[in-house]
Amino acid sequence: DAGVTQSPTHLIKTRGQQVTLRCSPKSGHDTVSWYQQALGQGPQFIFQYYEEEERQRGNFPDRFSGHQFPNYSSELNVNALLLGDSALYLCASSLAWGNSNQPQHFGDGTRLSIL
Amino acid sequence: AQTVTQSQPEMSVQEAETVTLSCTYDTSESDYYLFWYKQPPSRQMILVIRQEAYKQQNATENRFSVNFQKAAKSFSLKISDSQLGDAAMYFCAWVGGTSYGKLTFGQGTILTVHP
Repeated sequence: DAGVTQSPTHLIKTRGQQVTLRCSPKSGHDTVSWYQQALGQGPQFIFQYYEEEERQRGNFPDRFSGHQFPNYSSELNVNALLLGDSALYLCASSLAWGNSNQPQHFGDGTRLSIL
Repeated sequence: AQTVTQSQPEMSVQEAETVTLSCTYDTSESDYYLFWYKQPPSRQMILVIRQEAYKQQNATENRFSVNFQKAAKSFSLKISDSQLGDAAMYFCAWVGGTSYGKLTFGQGTILTVHP
């Protein structure tokens, strides 16, 4: 039973570029959430997708956008990259959006470095 | 807005001994869940233990147990018989009510285990 998988593992970009990160949820899960984790900090919620729609959004600018596909996989897009976007990006999946009782399962993350 | 505070940036323990990690939170909601996640250097966030706010009994998972004090809004993690593999960053997290799976994390506590 595959867990949450993210790609790529590590990515290096320069300021102003655009990046796309990908996530496949754990088998059977239908809800995907994205978090940004700066070095030495706790993860910060970016947004959450269910039924191919953004259901919740954290305090992140519109440069951060996402998408969920019919197979429940998801992408996180960041435009006009800034140095401050350097972080570990974590994807988490869960079952049944709206049910906070369901634990979230995390992937290994994508380390994004901005030069 | 919900907040989660971990006041111990770093903790250390001798192998086989017991350590307690502290966490406090602030919320006006009555229905919520609390979690402890472990993040080793491999980066994957691993669920350690979960507590439902409506349950008075403290959750336990093998060597891990919590002390949940709802009135004080405190949620500490006790690790008994510490093992070298317990060394990691530990995060306390909150979810509930209308947050629909949006986890709010604390800043984390780095746990070092000495042989």
